[in-house]
Amino acid sequence: GDSVTQMEGPVTLSEEAFLTINCTYTATGYPSLFWYVQYPGEGLQLLLKATKADDKGSNKGFEATYRKETTSFHLEKGSVQVSDSAVYFCALGGRSQGNLIFGKGTKLSVKP
Amino acid sequence: DSGVTQTPKHLITATGQRVTLRCSPRSGDLSVYWYQQSLDQGLQFLIQYYNGEERAKGNILERFSAQQFPDLHSELNLSSLELGDSALYFCASSEGGSAGVINEQFFGPGTRLTVL
Repeated sequence: GDSVTQMEGPVTLSEEAFLTINCTYTATGYPSLFWYVQYPGEGLQLLLKATKADDKGSNKGFEATYRKETTSFHLEKGSVQVSDSAVYFCALGGRSQGNLIFGKGTKLSVKP
Repeated sequence: DSGVTQTPKHLITATGQRVTLRCSPRSGDLSVYWYQQSLDQGLQFLIQYYNGEERAKGNILERFSAQQFPDLHSELNLSSLELGDSALYFCASSEGGSAGVINEQFFGPGTRLTVL
């Protein structure tokens, strides 16, 4: 079945460092891909999305490109801030299914 | 604020008991999804309702059930609770029934269930 694999955390970075969180997927057809973020004590918030190959999703300085050839959707940010500390989830949504399939989440801690 | 509300925020109960979790979707959203988040299993899809009808089922135990009412709010019923049912339960809503670009899911703040 469909699945999402993302890099294990936790990831600890200094402020202004470059961030990459790897995400790969297995799916039939052409899923939509999402990154969600969960701040401490809160629910999940959609960070960015891409719906077809080569689409680039971006928001708040974060970017991810839908790569069909490598079945990947890696999350990047050029300069992280302390306020980016959170858990990041990669997810896919199939065209024929309603629910999202999530990776296990990557906890990011940014130190000043 | 996503517009999705969940009550209660926290729930502490004993093994063998039954609880009901409530979710109100965003205004205009017809789909409601329930997810369970635990340390060992991560975020697992439980069940989806669309406009009152069950649309999809995931890893939902037989002890768990859900329904969506005519006003579109949803309830998740958990019975014969076990220690392993302790988790965060999230509700999400979307306008339509699939997870394509026009049907983003918006998540509520969750209900933290602790079974003692």
